[in-house]
Amino acid sequence: DAMVIQNPRYQVTQFGKPVTLSCSQTLNHNVMYWYQQKSSQAPKLLFHYYDKDFNNEADTPDNFQSRRPNTSFCFLDIRSPGLGDAAMYLCATSRDRLAVYNEQFFGPGTRLTVL
Amino acid sequence: RKEVEQDPGPFNVPEGATVAFNCTYSNSASQSFFWYRQDCRKEPKLLMSVYSSGNEDGRFTAQLNRASQYISLLIRDSKLSDSATYLCVVRDDKIIFGKGTRLHILP
Repeated sequence: DAMVIQNPRYQVTQFGKPVTLSCSQTLNHNVMYWYQQKSSQAPKLLFHYYDKDFNNEADTPDNFQSRRPNTSFCFLDIRSPGLGDAAMYLCATSRDRLAVYNEQFFGPGTRLTVL
Repeated sequence: RKEVEQDPGPFNVPEGATVAFNCTYSNSASQSFFWYRQDCRKEPKLLMSVYSSGNEDGRFTAQLNRASQYISLLIRDSKLSDSATYLCVVRDDKIIFGKGTRLHILP
């Protein structure tokens, strides 16, 4: 059974047109993460929520926002997508943030294309 | 020096052979270490955590060398299904992924 679900799996948007990516989890984990991964590159952490506490990475552009209305759901909003934002967006969860060995569970990703 | 560095490969290895790759990290205060596997166009999945004493899971052995600041992954008796990208993950006050090492197992 899928534990971290991302919708849609493929998203096509136009340059400058806002887009929202969705992530849900059935694990009841406290922490949810959003990563951006471009071809042949490492996943890059954009931000994470520890419960309702939002933690933005210093180099995440303002164009990227996130919402977590409840434990199960987390959204990634891209306000004005540029061509450089085309990538795979990965959602991940972990039970805690502080545990030393803290496995992350990833969703299948949403592949975003910007035309 | 990059925070987490891996040889990008690709490593082309015949089926049944043993292959090993390393990952170096720059922060000596790093607390925990992992190997993830990522198949083409799929999400990363945890392969194994890396403990100070080293650990083994079937054909896979992971080791940590704190003095030299690297972790290693050894795959014995490689299978075609082992073909993937192997991502090193290091955690200090944040989680840092390496770019991954591509492994191709040849029939």
